[in-house]
Amino acid sequence: EADIYQTPRYLVIGTGKKITLECSQTMGHDKMYWYQQDPGMELHLIHYSYGVNSTEKGDLSSESTVSRIRTEHFPLTLESARPSHTSQYLCASSEQGLAQYFGPGTRLLVL
Amino acid sequence: KNEVEQSPQNLTAQEGEFITINCSYSVGISALHWLQQHPGGGIVSLFMLSSGKKKHGRLIATINIQEKHSSLHITASHPRDSAVYICALADMYSGGGADGLTFGKGTHLIIQP
Repeated sequence: EADIYQTPRYLVIGTGKKITLECSQTMGHDKMYWYQQDPGMELHLIHYSYGVNSTEKGDLSSESTVSRIRTEHFPLTLESARPSHTSQYLCASSEQGLAQYFGPGTRLLVL
Repeated sequence: KNEVEQSPQNLTAQEGEFITINCSYSVGISALHWLQQHPGGGIVSLFMLSSGKKKHGRLIATINIQEKHSSLHITASHPRDSAVYICALADMYSGGGADGLTFGKGTHLIIQP
């Protein structure tokens, strides 16, 4: 059983608000990832981290930012939410060369 | 960049039928993942393959590295198998998931009672 958590699960927020999506894992994995998935579309990598103080941008350009101050925690922040940010955001973690474990996702709606 | 093709895009079958979902890719990989996504959005990792065949319950995954092709089979399908099945690739040059996965568009499977 994977132990990776995301909060909130659902978020409806107005344009211009700052939001932080939380992701935590208790497996001690060094690698963590954020994926974005628009309805009916495939997932795209937006951020990843090899470990503490390591963050990299993924294949899909995103206005969000991430931080990795602790191994278990990989939050994603949008400084000023816009309707174009409406999507599902999925967090995952893995050890080198092993399967990725996915969190339950956060569904974001920006009005 | 690796191109991932899944087929079929949509599949509706009757309970008990044998299901096959296919995944083809264009560039060498270090591993291939099969994922299951339910309507609620959560993703479960079913298999990670780098060669041969794996079996878990009624699910079987195979991969042919030379042909750059993988299949996911479901035996004795059940309505609870209804979900989106996604093929995802770990690039050969980035060390098995180091830089995240490349995803197929998914196969929408519906199993009718």
